[in-house]
Amino acid sequence: GNSVTQMEGPVTLSEEAFLTINCTYTATGYPSLFWYVQYPGEGLQLLLKATKADDKGSNKGFEATYRKETTSFHLEKGSVQVSDSAVYFCALSDRTGGSEKLVFGKGTKLTVNP
Amino acid sequence: EPEVTQTPSHQVTQMGQEVILRCVPISNHLYFYWYRQILGQKVEFLVSFYNNEISEKSEIFDDQFSVERPDGSNFTLKIRSTKLEDSAMYFCASNRDRAEAFFGQGTRLTVV
Repeated sequence: GNSVTQMEGPVTLSEEAFLTINCTYTATGYPSLFWYVQYPGEGLQLLLKATKADDKGSNKGFEATYRKETTSFHLEKGSVQVSDSAVYFCALSDRTGGSEKLVFGKGTKLTVNP
Repeated sequence: EPEVTQTPSHQVTQMGQEVILRCVPISNHLYFYWYRQILGQKVEFLVSFYNNEISEKSEIFDDQFSVERPDGSNFTLKIRSTKLEDSAMYFCASNRDRAEAFFGQGTRLTVV
């Protein structure tokens, strides 16, 4: 079945450091890919998405490119801030069962220190 | 900005009791979902709901679970007889036209 493998955390960085969180997927067909973020005490929020190969999703300085050849959707940010501390989830859309459900990775906890 | 709201934020219940988790999806959304996250594990799909019926359910969603949209605004998840292993964060989500899903803040269910 469809699945997402995500870099295990936790990840601890200093402010202004470069961030990469790796995500690879296994899927039949051509799913849409997403990064969701969960700030402390809050729900899941969509951070960015890409719907087809070579698309780049971007938001709030974060970017991820849909790479079909490597089945990857790695999240990057050039300069992290303390306010980026959160749990990040990679996900894909799975349409195999008749609805458009999301399949998530395990999540990566990011802590950014001042 | 419209949002999905869930109540309560935290529910503690005794094993064997029934619980109802409530969600108010975004008003013009058509597709509704429940997901859960056991502590330290993945967010897992439970069920999807469209046009007043279940469109897909996972193997987790057994006879102990049911969903309902009783009044056109609320979307509920009922667990008939809770087990210890039902302790988790439950997320409601909705979307329109299969666009990206909007999630609520979650209900933390603790079964004791």
